Amino acid sequence: GNSVTQMEGPVTLSEEAFLTINCTYTATGYPSLFWYVQYPGEGLQLLLKATKADDKGSNKGFEATYRKETTSFHLEKGSVQVSDSAVYFCALMRKTSYDKVIFGPGTSLSVIP
Amino acid sequence: NAGVTQTPKFQVLKTGQSMTLQCAQDMNHEYMSWYRQDPGMGLRLIHYSVGAGITDQGEVPNGYNVSRSTTEDFPLRLLSAAPSQTSVYFCASSYSDGPRDEQYFGPGTRLTVT
Repeated sequence: GNSVTQMEGPVTLSEEAFLTINCTYTATGYPSLFWYVQYPGEGLQLLLKATKADDKGSNKGFEATYRKETTSFHLEKGSVQVSDSAVYFCALMRKTSYDKVIFGPGTSLSVIP
Repeated sequence: NAGVTQTPKFQVLKTGQSMTLQCAQDMNHEYMSWYRQDPGMGLRLIHYSVGAGITDQGEVPNGYNVSRSTTEDFPLRLLSAAPSQTSVYFCASSYSDGPRDEQYFGPGTRLTVT
């Protein structure tokens, strides 16, 4: 079946450090891939997305590339800030089924000054 | 434009009690859904709706009911609360069912069942 695996953390980084949060998926066909971010006390917000292989999603300095050969969608940022402290969720969506949005368990990131 | 709103923010129930979690959106979105968030498990889909009058079950529907009488509102009913339903509940909406359409999430309801 479809599934999403991501490092659970928590991840603690110093400000301006490089961030990578790994995400790999298992799915039939060619799903769309997403990263959502949840700031403390809030709901999830879409951070970026990619809908086909080799697409790169980017937003707010974050990037992720849809790698079909490795079934991965790793999230990266070159220089994190304290304001990036949040929980990050990788997710996939099958293109033919609205109800099949699968979320990973989330990765908690804390950035310290 | 308030987006997706949820009430209440926090709720404590005793086992066996019933209650309704409210969700409303003002973006004229056709698609609405309810998720529960549990530690280490990400979000799991409870029920969803593709338009007024149409609902369907998600991954974990047992113990919950929904209805969609208007485009704006999508309440979630807990019929007889159980401790296993202690969770954070999120409502989400989107314009359509395509993968290019972003889901907008409400701020969540934290429910504790004792």
